[in-house]
Amino acid sequence: DAGVTQSPTHLIKTRGQHVTLRCSPISGHKSVSWYQQVLGQGPQFIFQYYEKEERGRGNFPDRFSARQFPNYSSELNVNALLLGDSALYLCASSLGPTEGETQYFGPGTRLLVL
Amino acid sequence: AQSVTQLDSQVPVFEEAPVELRCNYSSSVSVYLFWYVQYPNQGLQLLLKYLSGSTLVKGINGFEAEFNKSQTSFHLRKPSVHISDTAEYFCAVTASGGYQKVTFGIGTKLQVIP
Repeated sequence: DAGVTQSPTHLIKTRGQHVTLRCSPISGHKSVSWYQQVLGQGPQFIFQYYEKEERGRGNFPDRFSARQFPNYSSELNVNALLLGDSALYLCASSLGPTEGETQYFGPGTRLLVL
Repeated sequence: AQSVTQLDSQVPVFEEAPVELRCNYSSSVSVYLFWYVQYPNQGLQLLLKYLSGSTLVKGINGFEAEFNKSQTSFHLRKPSVHISDTAEYFCAVTASGGYQKVTFGIGTKLQVIP
């Protein structure tokens, strides 16, 4: 079975632009979460979506938004990019939304903002 | 809110020696605890998790961890490391009764020396 896939793998943007990152969960998984991992740090929770509804949001500004589609894939959008948004963006999927479920991570999208 | 402290940023260890990676957490509610491994330029892979029951948890690749509620610790151990264990290890916690907002530590780089 295919794991979690993310696209693109790498991306370079300039300050002020917007970016859309995409994630396809493992088949049958209905929950998708997004994390930001800045170099040298652990991942930070951004959003969780389950059955197309937002279940949780981390401490990120409104420039960050996401959505989940009927096929359970997800997009993360970041507007008005800042240099500090440069990071590895990780998507994780799980069967259901509960906190004890195993999350399976994709390889990430590495975003560089110049 | 919950938090995680990984006490060592880097741990060098000789091949076939034992290793312990330390993790302490804080939370005002019951928690679920996780250890993830991240190989260079890859996403995270779950090593093991503690949800309830036996405090000694066995994971993949010969790793195990012990949940100690009184000391709020969840240290990761392996009796004999291999070169292939060289990676970054993240301890993580999520509070029970909520969604999948996982809080990660800053990571411990395990360097196995031949």
